[in-house]
Amino acid sequence: GAVVSQHPSRVICKSGTSVKIECRSLDFQATTMFWYRQFPKKSLMLMATSNEGSKATYEQGVEKDKFLINHASLTLSTLTVTSAHPEDSSFYICSANRGSQETQYFGPGTRLLVL
Amino acid sequence: TQLLEQSPQFLSIQEGENLTVYCNSSSVFSSLQWYRQEPGEGPVLLVTVVTGGEVKKLKRLTFQFGDARKDSSLHITAAQPGDTGLYLCAGAYFNKFYFGSGTKLNVKP
Repeated sequence: GAVVSQHPSRVICKSGTSVKIECRSLDFQATTMFWYRQFPKKSLMLMATSNEGSKATYEQGVEKDKFLINHASLTLSTLTVTSAHPEDSSFYICSANRGSQETQYFGPGTRLLVL
Repeated sequence: TQLLEQSPQFLSIQEGENLTVYCNSSSVFSSLQWYRQEPGEGPVLLVTVVTGGEVKKLKRLTFQFGDARKDSSLHITAAQPGDTGLYLCAGAYFNKFYFGSGTKLNVKP
């Protein structure tokens, strides 16, 4: 199997605080991880591509200083939403792909609510 | 603008009917995946198609990749209420994955 976990599954925070979301590949080493954002009843929007040991590549329009990504090991990538505001409230989903396989395995998502 | 356009966006049908969901682009993809997503959960992979013209079957679901690898379709035969969900296509493009706009399917008993 190829299992990806995310933690936390749900977080509520006050405006101005920073929130860290973890994405782990549990039974394989992920050379690349991806972070997506999904608004209610909408599709997934790619935010950034995270490669182990190097800087993340951000999609156009995504603020790199706002959404800090760290890929410290082959099984862990983190997304930190800095100085969160209510408009950052969303469903954040990570995925990982294994080696050269062009198939991505998704985490269960993290629901962020900023008050 | 979306790299992949899905149609229809919404589909409400009766149990037993057939349906087709389309995923179109002007870009060529190295592979294309179809996912199904339940509310509050991550997408679950249904199939990956790689070769132009490829057809894959998964029980009542048939997936086809266009000859030019720019488009794909998902056909469901004799839909059941358990097929209800959000169906998403995603194309692999220069080692990144871009999602279609999604098709919300509702199968009524």
